[in-house]
Amino acid sequence: DQQVKQNSPSLSVQEGRISILNCDYTNSMFDYFLWYKKYPAEGPTFLISISSIKDKNEDGRFTVFLNKSAKHLSLHIVPSQPGDSAVYFCAARNTNAGKSTFGDGTTLTVKP
Amino acid sequence: SQTIHQWPATLVQPVGSPLSLECTVEGTSNPNLYWYRQAAGRGLQLLFYSVGIGQISSEVPQNLSASRPQDRQFILSSKKLLLSDSGFYLCAWTPSRFAEAFFGQGTRLTVV
Repeated sequence: DQQVKQNSPSLSVQEGRISILNCDYTNSMFDYFLWYKKYPAEGPTFLISISSIKDKNEDGRFTVFLNKSAKHLSLHIVPSQPGDSAVYFCAARNTNAGKSTFGDGTTLTVKP
Repeated sequence: SQTIHQWPATLVQPVGSPLSLECTVEGTSNPNLYWYRQAAGRGLQLLFYSVGIGQISSEVPQNLSASRPQDRQFILSSKKLLLSDSGFYLCAWTPSRFAEAFFGQGTRLTVV
């Protein structure tokens, strides 16, 4: 049973437009959510996070939205840049357990 | 500043041979440490995590084991590798349950 799902394996957008990456989870015990960016043959790097007590967190071009009732979160990148092309992983954590569960990732391609 | 070192970057091992991957963290104390594996086209699967010296939690029954002989050292081992052990192995650390994870550069393991 996959507790964190990223249903879109890939996404292609034009430079300057908005990229929206989605993530769904099933475990109601998750209370902390994170997005990571990963390039091939490298470890993921942290992008942005959100606690379950919030519904939005913004950091520059990146905004994460959380809809707890729908168990859904999304990452918005505005404006998208070619350097944003990478695999994006959504992760959910039960802070009492201290470990994160990752989705399978979405490959974002931003075309110039 | 904190840094995480993981080596080697690539490894080709025959079936049945032993494995030892090492990860060390610098610039912090008492980190939470993690080993993940990424199969091709999939997300990050948590293999082991540790909240202190000698404290190891296993997430998935498998051919691998982990040890934490020192506060900032985390080792992933196998006595006899299987073909299915091939993958991209990532070490990570967090300062607390409420913080993002910092990943090493990963080890590409190919069992032949």
